[in-house]
Amino acid sequence: EVQLVESGGGSVQPGGSLRLSCAASGFTVSSNYMSWVRQAAGKGLEWVSVIYSSGSTYYADSVKGRFTISRHNSKNTLYLQMNSLRVEDTAVYYCARGRPETDWGQGTLVTVSS
Amino acid sequence: QSALTQPASVSGSPGQSITISCTGTSSDVGGYKYVSWYQQHPGKAPKLMIYDVSNRPSGVPDRFSGSKSGNTASLTISGLQAEDEADYYCSSYTNNSTLDVFGTGTKVTVL
Repeated sequence: EVQLVESGGGSVQPGGSLRLSCAASGFTVSSNYMSWVRQAAGKGLEWVSVIYSSGSTYYADSVKGRFTISRHNSKNTLYLQMNSLRVEDTAVYYCARGRPETDWGQGTLVTVSS
Repeated sequence: QSALTQPASVSGSPGQSITISCTGTSSDVGGYKYVSWYQQHPGKAPKLMIYDVSNRPSGVPDRFSGSKSGNTASLTISGLQAEDEADYYCSSYTNNSTLDVFGTGTKVTVL
């Protein structure tokens, strides 16, 4: 059974950093297209970043230069390093597998506030 | 990259059919067959309902169907049921550097 479990969310001040993790089971992260998608409270979905099985990475313009997606193959885990956080980065962050996104985690809340 | 445009809300009575539109440009919806639709119930993660414009993943009822014409994709729910009440989002591949874009979302209400 495919399972995705996000962690690492929390409260941080503007300009701070957080690293989100997405622990996967039931499949191999490095063999799949893996994404991060976020959703601010009461708002729509926003695609954030993707890493291909090849290792190629892409980012939304809103996070380019601040966020970094990566994976740890032996831990079968996806990461999102978030630096220079802004108030507008406040959202629930989901990791997802596949293209299109077939499997989703339950999400982890990131709150950026002073 | 601007979000794809969806109506804010659509409603229908049980048993009726409704259609949700998703309008983009030739750089996304109109240029590729990679349009997906997701259903999201409150407090839950999104669920894939349609991919590649009109394909249904295993387990999705055939009441859900997708199509595309020009720069507009559509999701049709036939025989509307109470459990279909949820938010729906379209998504498309885009040829700019961001690769993917979601729609603004549509709240479906079953009257």
